[in-house]
Amino acid sequence: AQSVTQLGSHVSVSEGALVLLRCNYSSSVPPYLFWYVQYPNQGLQLLLKYTSAATLVKGINGFEAEFKKSETSFHLTKPSAHMSDAAEYFCAVSDPGSARQLTFGSGTQLTVLP
Amino acid sequence: DSGVTQTPKHLITATGQRVTLRCSPRSGDLSVYWYQQSLDQGLQFLIQYYNGEERAKGNILERFSAQQFPDLHSELNLSSLELGDSALYFCASSVDQGLGGTEAFFGQGTRLTVV
Repeated sequence: AQSVTQLGSHVSVSEGALVLLRCNYSSSVPPYLFWYVQYPNQGLQLLLKYTSAATLVKGINGFEAEFKKSETSFHLTKPSAHMSDAAEYFCAVSDPGSARQLTFGSGTQLTVLP
Repeated sequence: DSGVTQTPKHLITATGQRVTLRCSPRSGDLSVYWYQQSLDQGLQFLIQYYNGEERAKGNILERFSAQQFPDLHSELNLSSLELGDSALYFCASSVDQGLGGTEAFFGQGTRLTVV
């Protein structure tokens, strides 16, 4: 069964610092991978997705993620944090063989300090 | 605005009761997914419908049921409610049958509180 593990339920960074949110996946086949963001009292919004094309994926709001098969990782980064990036971030995996659902990680709450 | 509409936004009800949550997908999307988000379980996939037919089932309790109507809107019915059913229920929609490679758009959710 596929799964994702997000390391660190809470991450704090200073404004302007690098954001690094970690995600490792477990899948028997090369998966599709997604990062979603959830702002307070909002639904989930897709930041970016990996679907076996380029391993470095650029998303919205300056975020990007790199698919590393050897490390089974799909970490999310942003060079310079902004106060508006404070939110909860979810990594999710979908099995291309039966891609009818997303399996989400437990989420990482990002706090941006002034 | 994702284009996915969920009603109501908030719902408070008593244990043992039954409620219906409604979801209107984005125009043109044929798939509807239901997810439950709670503090202890995180985001859990419940069920998926594609063009009116059930396509996938996740961790959905027998007390819960769903359907998708000819106009593609969907309803999630929760019955014999328990305190533990209190959660945020999300609906998502996509064009294809599967989410692989296809972006899913999420509604803002219905917050259900069972007292």
